[in-house]
Amino acid sequence: ETGVTQTPRHLVMGMTNKKSLKCEQHLGHNAMYWYKQSAKKPLELMFVYNFKEQTENNSVPSRFSPECPNSSHLFLHLHTLQPEDSALYLCASSQDLAGAYEQYFGPGTRLTVT
Amino acid sequence: GENVGLHLPTLSVQEGDNSIINCAYSNSASDYFIWYKQESGKGPQFIIDIRSNMDKRQGQRVTVLLNKTVKHLSLQIAATQPGDSAVYFCAERPGGGGNKLTFGTGTQLKVEL
Repeated sequence: ETGVTQTPRHLVMGMTNKKSLKCEQHLGHNAMYWYKQSAKKPLELMFVYNFKEQTENNSVPSRFSPECPNSSHLFLHLHTLQPEDSALYLCASSQDLAGAYEQYFGPGTRLTVT
Repeated sequence: GENVGLHLPTLSVQEGDNSIINCAYSNSASDYFIWYKQESGKGPQFIIDIRSNMDKRQGQRVTVLLNKTVKHLSLQIAATQPGDSAVYFCAERPGGGGNKLTFGTGTQLKVEL
């Protein structure tokens, strides 16, 4: 266990559905991240939050909408997704953004868009 | 066993042998590097890190070597065990502030009994 939990672990949704992914970290960290992991591709950074404020949006389509109500929780709201959005979505956390720290990952949500 | 770059995605080694996984990073200004292990169905797990002011760092059965001259990072696993079977990938922090990491594509390590 890394101290980062994600729910649900698996999600199948149609292109017209709206769903949300949840991430929670129990490490007392202040920075949280969303990544997309597709087969045979490097991890793609999507969003970064530091002390609840978004510091990075890596040109992510607006059908992905993040929310960070506090430093321990991070959500990714999904709507009108495309089949190519099917991937493993990983949440991570780190101490903060002020230094070089390892990022701790959750187990991911395997998303399938039909 | 040893792989020779990101173009060989799979490394097969015999149980008990040493493994060497290589990573060529892109940014000469990167100041922090991490190796992650990802088992099937799990998220990446931190293995070991190294800062750019070091050439070598050792952990339990793992050693990371950094060669800044050729922008090369390697992970050595001693006495490889079946539980070491996973995808391993490196990550670099480009430096200049922030904790944004750039990840490699990964190498699949298979341990044969």
